[in-house]
Amino acid sequence: SQTIHQWPATLVQPVGSPLSLECTVEGTSNPNLYWYRQAAGRGLQLLFYSVGIGQISSEVPQNLSASRPQDRQFILSSKKLLLSDSGFYLCAWRNVGTSGRQFFGPGTRLTVL
Amino acid sequence: EDKVVQSPLSLVVHEGDTVTLNCSYEVTNFRSLLWYKQEKKAPTFLFMLTSSGIEKKSGRLSSILDKKELFSILNITATQTGDSAVYLCAGQGGSEKLVFGKGTKLTVNP
Repeated sequence: SQTIHQWPATLVQPVGSPLSLECTVEGTSNPNLYWYRQAAGRGLQLLFYSVGIGQISSEVPQNLSASRPQDRQFILSSKKLLLSDSGFYLCAWRNVGTSGRQFFGPGTRLTVL
Repeated sequence: EDKVVQSPLSLVVHEGDTVTLNCSYEVTNFRSLLWYKQEKKAPTFLFMLTSSGIEKKSGRLSSILDKKELFSILNITATQTGDSAVYLCAGQGGSEKLVFGKGTKLTVNP
């Protein structure tokens, strides 16, 4: 069966510090991968998605970047965090060629102080 | 711009009540409507609907889609405290994106 991992679970970082969040999927090959952010009082906002190694699509202009160095690994990064980057970051995957159903990881709670 | 609107934003009921959660959408090249339940962390999948009038059921939960009027409802009968969660609705269009609503926070009191 497929599982999705995210780490760390929680993170407190100062403004201006770098960020690296990691997501890995097991039990499937060539998944589509997604990064979402969920801010308080707002819905899930798609940040990036990837349909293959090295292929990244950005949905909103922002202070963040994403990379996919391996088939089942998706990384969210920032060189300098802003206060507005605080939120709950969720990674998701789905099988190519199937329906739109996406499966979510446990998430990372990021607080920027 | 694609948009999904959920109502109400929050709802407090007593155990045993029946609730109806609403989701309206405007999604270009609409393909499907998805419902998720989010308790503390990861949203968990409930239903995906692609055709009007086809009701999906899972125990006490059911959902139906109206593609003409562009909305969906999620019904929960005989609510239990374990149903307390945020219920998210998302629309999928022609791209990879799922467009999510802000969610309905359901609180079921004993």
